[in-house]
Amino acid sequence: NAGVTQTPKFRVLKTGQSMTLLCAQDMNHEYMYWYRQDPGMGLRLIHYSVGEGTTAKGEVPDGYNVSRLKKQNFLLGLESAAPSQTSVYFCASSPSGESQPQHFGDGTRLSIL
Amino acid sequence: GQNIDQPTEMTATEGAIVQINCTYQTSGFNGLFWYQQHAGEAPTFLSYNVLDGLEEKGRFSSFLSRSKGYSYLLLKELQMKDSASYLCADMDSNYQLIWGAGTKLIIKP
Repeated sequence: NAGVTQTPKFRVLKTGQSMTLLCAQDMNHEYMYWYRQDPGMGLRLIHYSVGEGTTAKGEVPDGYNVSRLKKQNFLLGLESAAPSQTSVYFCASSPSGESQPQHFGDGTRLSIL
Repeated sequence: GQNIDQPTEMTATEGAIVQINCTYQTSGFNGLFWYQQHAGEAPTFLSYNVLDGLEEKGRFSSFLSRSKGYSYLLLKELQMKDSASYLCADMDSNYQLIWGAGTKLIIKP
């Protein structure tokens, strides 16, 4: 039972490069989320999806794009990486958005030089 | 505005009891979550409170007072493996989680 799987686990980029983070869940959850976690701050929501083919902006969406072409996958893209995007990125999923716990992947540690 | 406050760090002794407090001010309220996060790992769900009172799950209990915008997580019979960060999160009127910065709990022998 894999749960939520994120790839890659680590990545180093140069400023201006682009990349895609992949999140896959095998729990048939409708809702999926992308967060970033920075020292001394709470998790901040980047984008989320309430179902296949839908996406919505969270608290800090600038510089990121997402797609949910298949229910089990949620992709996070950085078009032109900046040092301010150095962070740990977590993907999460939940059966619905209402009062149900979110299940997290192991995170992707991203450094932008 | 939306705000979640919890202490940055706490220290406790193995075998003892510790209470981690959380206060929240958000637009609307749809429940209060507690998560545990070991260093370098993913947050894992501990508890959910939507009504006032105490919810007990083994060594862990969580309390909520909606009128005071206050919750606490109570950990009993502390073990070394309980050393972790504990994250408080409030679900707002849009069913989005607003997260506190986390409380790092250090357990000493």
